[in-house]
Amino acid sequence: GAGVSQTPSNKVTEKGKYVELRCDPISGHTALYWYRQSLGQGPEFLIYFQGTGAADDSGLPNDRFFAVRPEGSVSTLKIQRTERGDSAVYLCASSLANTDTQYFGPGTRLTVL
Amino acid sequence: QQQVKQSPQSLIVQKGGISIINCAYENTAFDYFPWYQQFPGKGPALLIAIRPDVSEKKEGRFTISFNKSAKQFSLHIMDSQPGDSATYFCAARKVQKLVFGQGTRLTINP
Repeated sequence: GAGVSQTPSNKVTEKGKYVELRCDPISGHTALYWYRQSLGQGPEFLIYFQGTGAADDSGLPNDRFFAVRPEGSVSTLKIQRTERGDSAVYLCASSLANTDTQYFGPGTRLTVL
Repeated sequence: QQQVKQSPQSLIVQKGGISIINCAYENTAFDYFPWYQQFPGKGPALLIAIRPDVSEKKEGRFTISFNKSAKQFSLHIMDSQPGDSATYFCAARKVQKLVFGQGTRLTINP
């Protein structure tokens, strides 16, 4: 079956611009996660959704970052006033409720010039 | 604060050899310890995982050894193959949030 998909695969933007990154989880997965992976590092947790609500957003670095999941399926990560330090691969993962395995998408590589 | 420390950063092993990657954690609230494999340009893929009430888990050529008292766990890859060349991440979970190690770039020489 289809895995987690993320669009776009690459995004280049200028400092100060607004960007949206999209994640389509595996069908039926109620839990959705966003992570950020900087070059040469492990993924870092950003936010976790259970259904439509953000169950844990403790990893969002500041108020320029926001994520939504209005219908409990697709999620969008929104970054306002982008900075060069936001450049990274943004990974999305999903899982079935009350199960262990998080399935990751291929990521969106964001480059802020 | 680095909650999961992984070593080595890079590892070169001859084909057929054993690859060993180590991780240590600090928080005793972690309840699940997965290992992920990542190829360039791809997302991490679950390789094998263990819970802290088990000391060892084996799946094919991959084995996790877990030492709860020492707060350490390791991945062993037996009969390493060139196709195993990738970056490996250990992780630990607390309340659905995965905390990852820094990664180990593994190269298997043919």
